[in-house]
Amino acid sequence: SAVISQKPSRDICQRGTSLTIQCQVDSQVTMMFWYRQQPGQSLTLIATANQGSEATYESGFVIDKFPISRPNLTFSTLTVSNMSPEDSSIYLCSVPGQRSYEQYFGPGTRLTVT
Amino acid sequence: SQKIEQNSEALNIQEGKTATLTCNYTNYSPAYLQWYRQDPGRGPVFLLLIRENEKEKRKERLKVTFDTTLKQSLFHITASQPADSATYLCALGASGGSYIPTFGRGTSLIVHP
Repeated sequence: SAVISQKPSRDICQRGTSLTIQCQVDSQVTMMFWYRQQPGQSLTLIATANQGSEATYESGFVIDKFPISRPNLTFSTLTVSNMSPEDSSIYLCSVPGQRSYEQYFGPGTRLTVT
Repeated sequence: SQKIEQNSEALNIQEGKTATLTCNYTNYSPAYLQWYRQDPGRGPVFLLLIRENEKEKRKERLKVTFDTTLKQSLFHITASQPADSATYLCALGASGGSYIPTFGRGTSLIVHP
């Protein structure tokens, strides 16, 4: 199994500002995923980040709002840009397991936008 | 549209009883179904996967059933303990080898001592 860490664990930000969330994995992985989990809602995939290529965004999410970097096989960042209170959520990164389609998740970043 | 339904109301049970959580889906033909556990302030943790051609899967005190006719999965925890209290998410994966499942909202389980 993979061990994933995220920074920061939580933050309170003012509207109009941006926050970059870091995700570090203890092993090399090809794919990394970024999810959003709004209160009482299911996990929603934001984008898939592959090393060496542009991230693939899901419907409803755009690169200008959620730029992603993937500089190597163990690290990725997600930036939440020009934040509004609607961006208040938990942001999680994950990686696929070696078998059976399971996913390993980081602890999440709890973002509150005021 | 595709829909995954899990009971939004918390399930309260007494320690030692069997907890049963339900995951229903519509407009979906999943190749596999997964169950995850999520504790407050933490990311989900993978528990079990069951494939479309499997009826039942067990792991220690956990049992998952998968009925593709009823479009339903049941998740059982036998001899439940207060430490089993958490939110349990089901997730469905499409055919074609997708590594990206679609998650339900989860059901909160509270086991009382």
